[in-house]
Amino acid sequence: DTAVSQTPKYLVTQMGNDKSIKCEQNLGHDTMYWYKQDSKKFLKIMFSYNNKELIINETVPNRFSPKSPDKAHLNLHINSLELGDSAVYFCASSQVATTTGELFFGEGSRLTVL
Amino acid sequence: AQSVAQPEDQVNVAEGNPLTVKCTYSVSGNPYLFWYVQYPNRGLQFLLKYITGDNLVKGSYGFEAEFNKSQTSFHLKKPSALVSDSALYFCAVRDLRSRFGAGTTVTVRA
Repeated sequence: DTAVSQTPKYLVTQMGNDKSIKCEQNLGHDTMYWYKQDSKKFLKIMFSYNNKELIINETVPNRFSPKSPDKAHLNLHINSLELGDSAVYFCASSQVATTTGELFFGEGSRLTVL
Repeated sequence: AQSVAQPEDQVNVAEGNPLTVKCTYSVSGNPYLFWYVQYPNRGLQFLLKYITGDNLVKGSYGFEAEFNKSQTSFHLKKPSALVSDSALYFCAVRDLRSRFGAGTTVTVRA
């Protein structure tokens, strides 16, 4: 059973389109995250939700909108895609939003904007 | 702000030799430090963490890390590297968010 699963694994789309990535975790965790990994493999947090409530919102363009329908799901919708949005997006979860818990990552969703 | 630095982009070792991947940290207060590994086209996997207590922390796949407060370091070590240890390794410091280092690519040659 996959602990943190993301779909789709690959997206190829044109500039200006809108796309969504879905994430689900079956670990019973309260906190979920979206991270962006750029072409140099640098990882940057985008958003975090704790029990459906937004707790971290880094300086991300408002074209990116996360949604957490319940604590097991965190989706990411991206409007008006730009070339610079091309990256691998990782969903992760942790048991609680404390400082001592490790993150469990999904396999990533590779977004290519043409 | 909390941060970690990984001073080496790449580490190359021969199989069977010791492996060290370096990490230094800058935090205010108690540091909560983590190591993760990323294999090609995969998500990150947790290896080990230091929260408090023993300075030598043991983790998955035979890895360990030593917390050194005076040197503000948390280096990852493995006594005898395997070819299968070739991957990208990230050090991270945690507050409400996890802040990752830039990553170190480890190549273990047969």
